[in-house]
Amino acid sequence: QSALTQPRSVSGSPGQSVTISCTGTSSDVGGYNYVSWYQQHPGKAPKLMIYDVIKRPSGVPDRFSGSKSGNTASLTISGLQPEDEADYYCCSYAGSYTLLFGGGTKLTVL
Amino acid sequence: QVQLVESGGGVVQPGRSLRLSCAASGFTFSSFGMHWGRQAPGKGLDWVALVSYDGSKKYYTDSVKGRFTISRDNSKNTLYLEMNSLRAEDTAVYYCMKSGSGWYDLDYWGQGTLVTVSS
Repeated sequence: QSALTQPRSVSGSPGQSVTISCTGTSSDVGGYNYVSWYQQHPGKAPKLMIYDVIKRPSGVPDRFSGSKSGNTASLTISGLQPEDEADYYCCSYAGSYTLLFGGGTKLTVL
Repeated sequence: QVQLVESGGGVVQPGRSLRLSCAASGFTFSSFGMHWGRQAPGKGLDWVALVSYDGSKKYYTDSVKGRFTISRDNSKNTLYLEMNSLRAEDTAVYYCMKSGSGWYDLDYWGQGTLVTVSS
């Protein structure tokens, strides 16, 4: 299976909002409400930010939100802060108890 | 607090084997599915394998089927990944991950252990 498609990079200024897209197929993103998003700072392990498309784990700021339309899921970060600068990965259930990650998006806070 | 600590990484020649371990603490290990993932140097994340809470069900990404085996010992709160017939493309940091409320979200990750396959 091919990785889910994410933009290589996005950027925004502090206080602005950015949206990162994650495009798959009807066999993964479009077929299930099991999309999650992970934040990874350099040299660190990934951290769960969104799961089941729209749910936020405790401790994750409500500036982070998720959505899905058809075969594309999105992560929106509002009120950008310098510490949001990181790599972001989407992940979807792809059937038969397997998971599929996106290629990752580098977020730069200008 | 949840802790996942991987070990067993290192440099290994192509075709050889290696076993990774992940020591879990801070939660009821026997109640959750567990995963292995990996990240090649400078690349993105890849999912590798899933084992059910009781070890009875195991699932793999296509590229490791027949070569890697995921297992767990609930009496020792430890997850394993047995890797055989290693290839250069298996070079990566390997992460141990805990399933969240379902099987498909990964709510805690270890710090990873580096496996380098090189002659």
